[in-house]
Amino acid sequence: DAGVIQSPRHEVTEMGQEVTLRCKPISGHDYLFWYRQTMMRGLELLIYFNNNVPIDDSGMPEDRFSAKMPNASFSTLKIQPSEPRDSAVYFCASSSTGGAAGYTFGSGTRLTVV
Amino acid sequence: QKEVEQNSGPLSVPEGAIASLNCTYSDRGSQSFFWYRQYSGKSPELIMSIYSNGDKEDGRFTAQLNKASQYVSLLIRDSQPSDSATYLCAVRSAGNQFYFGTGTSLTVIP
Repeated sequence: DAGVIQSPRHEVTEMGQEVTLRCKPISGHDYLFWYRQTMMRGLELLIYFNNNVPIDDSGMPEDRFSAKMPNASFSTLKIQPSEPRDSAVYFCASSSTGGAAGYTFGSGTRLTVV
Repeated sequence: QKEVEQNSGPLSVPEGAIASLNCTYSDRGSQSFFWYRQYSGKSPELIMSIYSNGDKEDGRFTAQLNKASQYVSLLIRDSQPSDSATYLCAVRSAGNQFYFGTGTSLTVIP
């Protein structure tokens, strides 16, 4: 099992540019979560999907953020336009139990917006 | 008030000692509780889950849950330098919301 795969590992972009983060969950997991981690706020849940359907996006900070899951093996988180305050580590995680038994995180994408 | 609170530390213990990490949560209806370990620059890794009041042991790790006091703890016995990391407490609330604490940094001194 390759685990949860995220790309890219690092992203440096200029303010105003579009950023797309990608995630491939563990095969067979029907829940997918996007988190953001900063020193100040810790881990924040942005959105999660069940069977490719967004269930709760209340953590998405504003309309500049959008997430999609076109199929069971792929999800994207897009920021357009990006701002310096979006700089953080973005984690994707997946689970087969909705998180009731915890979940597996990907290695994360470190985003820096300059 | 934050949903999940942890002492940010840093907590330092000598090698071989017991490290005690604590966490409180605000939603009394929460049902699932987790401890994740996060090494610097890495992703969180699930190390313990607990759902019922009392203790749950797994090797050198013991999770303790007291729902009446809304308190979760993690004990690490015979601490090793490799245990040096940030430990995150996570709670799944009654409304199926997931909340993480900001983590406690642990350093085990050889």
